[in-house]
Amino acid sequence: EADIYQTPRYLVIGTGKKITLECSQTMGHDKMYWYQQDPGMELHLIHYSYGVNSTEKGDLSSESTVSRIRTEHFPLTLESARPSHTSQYLCASSEWVRDGYTFGSGTRLTVV
Amino acid sequence: GENVEQHPSTLSVQEGDSAVIKCTYSDSASNYFPWYKQELGKRPQLIIDIRSNVGEKKDQRIAVTLNKTAKHFSLHITETQPEDSAVYFCAASIRSGGGADGLTFGKGTHLIIQP
Repeated sequence: EADIYQTPRYLVIGTGKKITLECSQTMGHDKMYWYQQDPGMELHLIHYSYGVNSTEKGDLSSESTVSRIRTEHFPLTLESARPSHTSQYLCASSEWVRDGYTFGSGTRLTVV
Repeated sequence: GENVEQHPSTLSVQEGDSAVIKCTYSDSASNYFPWYKQELGKRPQLIIDIRSNVGEKKDQRIAVTLNKTAKHFSLHITETQPEDSAVYFCAASIRSGGGADGLTFGKGTHLIIQP
């Protein structure tokens, strides 16, 4: 089924560890986005990409980095996790903005 | 850039009553306005959208209205049911100088349906 998939669903990790949150979509969308969201709260755009080899920082400053080597894959990496990174991370994609975004189910990250 | 204001932040209504959530936007060039519903622990899902060449759109119990002159748009839910309880986000399209598109989201409204 065409959708957007995020793994892991939940992650508890120690301070200082390097982590990569995976996001893949099977819809062939060019545009992909990463949002940070505390449960039920505002969506903060942290990274976006309009196609292969295109990445931009969003409105919210983030210590994470992203890459876009393949159309379907848009991973997010934290080189050194800190408790302040504890949050939910949502990935989204769209073909055209006017068709709306499809969101993944999110990764709930806890850094201890 | 675009700025989207959403009100109220929390809305509590009796089951069966109507609920209205309002958003304003700043960029007159915005021309696409989707609404997302996020149930507890789930992903945001698109429930209805409207484009700037339309003033109103309905889909069963939900409707969206757009006033381009005043730069505001609203979500209306009639005959509310317990499953309508969720966080609702409005959004408006933006267009960067590079020709790329994106959405600016409101801060969300917690809708609580009281039995």
